[in-house]
Amino acid sequence: ETGVTQTPRHLVMGMTNKKSLKCEQHLGHNAMYWYKQSAKKPLELMFVYNFKEQTENNSVPSRFSPECPNSSHLFLHLHTLQPEDSALYLCASSASPSTSGGVYNEQFFGPGTRLTVL
Amino acid sequence: AQKITQTQPGMFVQEKEAVTLDCTYDTSDQSYGLFWYKQPSSGEMIFLIYQGSYDEQNATEGRYSLNFQKARKSANLVISASQLGDSAMYFCAMREGGSFNAGGTSYGKLTFGQGTILTVHP
Repeated sequence: ETGVTQTPRHLVMGMTNKKSLKCEQHLGHNAMYWYKQSAKKPLELMFVYNFKEQTENNSVPSRFSPECPNSSHLFLHLHTLQPEDSALYLCASSASPSTSGGVYNEQFFGPGTRLTVL
Repeated sequence: AQKITQTQPGMFVQEKEAVTLDCTYDTSDQSYGLFWYKQPSSGEMIFLIYQGSYDEQNATEGRYSLNFQKARKSANLVISASQLGDSAMYFCAMREGGSFNAGGTSYGKLTFGQGTILTVHP
């Protein structure tokens, strides 16, 4: 496996279900990100992890719970979601800005998980 | 005010012709970076090109070039010799230098525009 992978690619869940999205990167990066992409809206950054530590929570509701057990894996645990949470969830990784400095840290994205909440 | 503005919801171009996708940005930082990503229907975001705020030359990557006009705060993407496979959504994004404060909370934060759907006609 190369690059950034995400599983599952598609997920349909009810509002009372609990599910998890998984992201894995094979690029040796130390920063990982969750984005939400809803129809007709810009990508919204949800969470940032830098060396496994959460450094950004963009006012995300608590029904989304991220977990970063190591620099290669990132999870997004979902529970009691709402229909408006239906979206494409994208994971990305990059070199850690805190070590490499500068503003150029290209983010590599996974293919996304298309989530539908019924 | 929006940090990244893409005013063209959709653009059409004939195969083999050039097309320009507009992007304007708003920041008070001196150090920032501008990115363009392509998103085909498969959903994956593909990095295309990067321009640093201190770069004096416009960035180029193959058929992609970035028309960077710092005073106007614009970073338009130019695709030369369009191909059918260029049909996709294109996003402009910015990373501001203030995201890297020691102990800061916004490492690596990219702000995206709303995107432009490009359709290449044969």
